[in-house]
Amino acid sequence: GENVEQHPSTLSVQEGDSAVIKCTYSDSASNYFPWYKQELGKRPQLIIDIRSNVGEKKDQRIAVTLNKTAKHFSLHITETQPEDSAVYFCAASPTDSWGKLQFGAGTQVVVTP
Amino acid sequence: EPEVTQTPSHQVTQMGQEVILRCVPISNHLYFYWYRQILGQKVEFLVSFYNNEISEKSEIFDDQFSVERPDGSNFTLKIRSTKLEDSAMYFCASSGYQETQYFGPGTRLLVL
Repeated sequence: GENVEQHPSTLSVQEGDSAVIKCTYSDSASNYFPWYKQELGKRPQLIIDIRSNVGEKKDQRIAVTLNKTAKHFSLHITETQPEDSAVYFCAASPTDSWGKLQFGAGTQVVVTP
Repeated sequence: EPEVTQTPSHQVTQMGQEVILRCVPISNHLYFYWYRQILGQKVEFLVSFYNNEISEKSEIFDDQFSVERPDGSNFTLKIRSTKLEDSAMYFCASSGYQETQYFGPGTRLLVL
């Protein structure tokens, strides 16, 4: 089955700097890669997702890149703000098991003013 | 904006007891999921459900677990005989066909 590795486990950044989180996946059949943000005690909330037919997607300060050959994808947050502080999870889902999201271990992002 | 809802928000039970966790998916979604998250750990897939049957299940989802859509709005997860290691946050999610999964607020289950 799919195995998703996520790095780093914690990331401290100064407000205004960029943050990058990287994930690798094992199943070449995976073709859907969402990123969720989870604040303490809250539900995971989708912030951006990408499908395998594109290499990059951007939404304001957030971007995701996908390298299918290398089987890795990354989340980029620019101009970080204190409200970006949260745990970020990457996930992957294969076509033949759509919906069976396999999550990475999460990255605790702390943005300091 | 429609949201997935879950009840109860917290559930404390004795080991060996049965619990039922309830979810109301987003109304036009047809695909439903349960995940769990042990404190401080990653979110783990339990089961997906479509057209009144299980589509996929993980190795965690053993015979102690069952899911049901008892009516047109609710989706339930039953744990037949709870164990200490079942203590976790349980999230329900729903989606359209091959679309984004939206998560509910979770039920925190504590087994004593």
